Amino acid sequence: KAGVTQTPRYLIKTRGQQVTLSCSPISGHRSVSWYQQTPGQGLQFLFEYFSETQRNKGNFPGRFSGRQFSNSRSEMNVSTLELGDSALYLCASSWYRHDTEAFFGQGTRLTVV
Amino acid sequence: DQQVKQNSPSLSVQEGRISILNCDYTNSMFDYFLWYKKYPAEGPTFLISISSIKDKNEDGRFTVFLNKSAKHLSLHIVPSQPGDSAVYFCAASVLVRALIFGKGTTLSVSS
Repeated sequence: KAGVTQTPRYLIKTRGQQVTLSCSPISGHRSVSWYQQTPGQGLQFLFEYFSETQRNKGNFPGRFSGRQFSNSRSEMNVSTLELGDSALYLCASSWYRHDTEAFFGQGTRLTVV
Repeated sequence: DQQVKQNSPSLSVQEGRISILNCDYTNSMFDYFLWYKKYPAEGPTFLISISSIKDKNEDGRFTVFLNKSAKHLSLHIVPSQPGDSAVYFCAASVLVRALIFGKGTTLSVSS
């Protein structure tokens, strides 16, 4: 079956802009989680959506938001981009519990200049 | 405050020998632990997990050990193969909350 698909793979944005990243989970998976990976902080949990509802949220500012659609596809949005938002953004999907065997996409590499 | 720590940034092992990757945690409420492997330009891949009610879980060449009293987790790879060379992340969660990841250990297996 198809894996987790994230688009776009690479993105360059200017400070102050906003960006939307997309994630299509594995068919049948209802939980979608988002993570930020940076060299200094490793993988950090952003939020998790299950059946179109945000079920868990990490410790990130309100500039980071997300949503999930009825087909389980998810988007995350970052407004008023800062240089420090440059990172690899990873999406993971699982059937029910996001903390069990979650399958990750290849990520979106965001560079803020 | 880092709740999940992988104190060794890197580990080098010869092919055929055992690789032992370590992970320490501070939150005694963690009830589920996982190991992920990550190659460059790819997302992490799930390897093996263990519930807090167990102390060992095996899957082929991979075995995870959990020592709750020491708040310590380890991943054993036997025998190590060059294809195992990757970054290994330890992760933990509490009651279906956020997955907390360590910063990773880069394993290099030489032939």
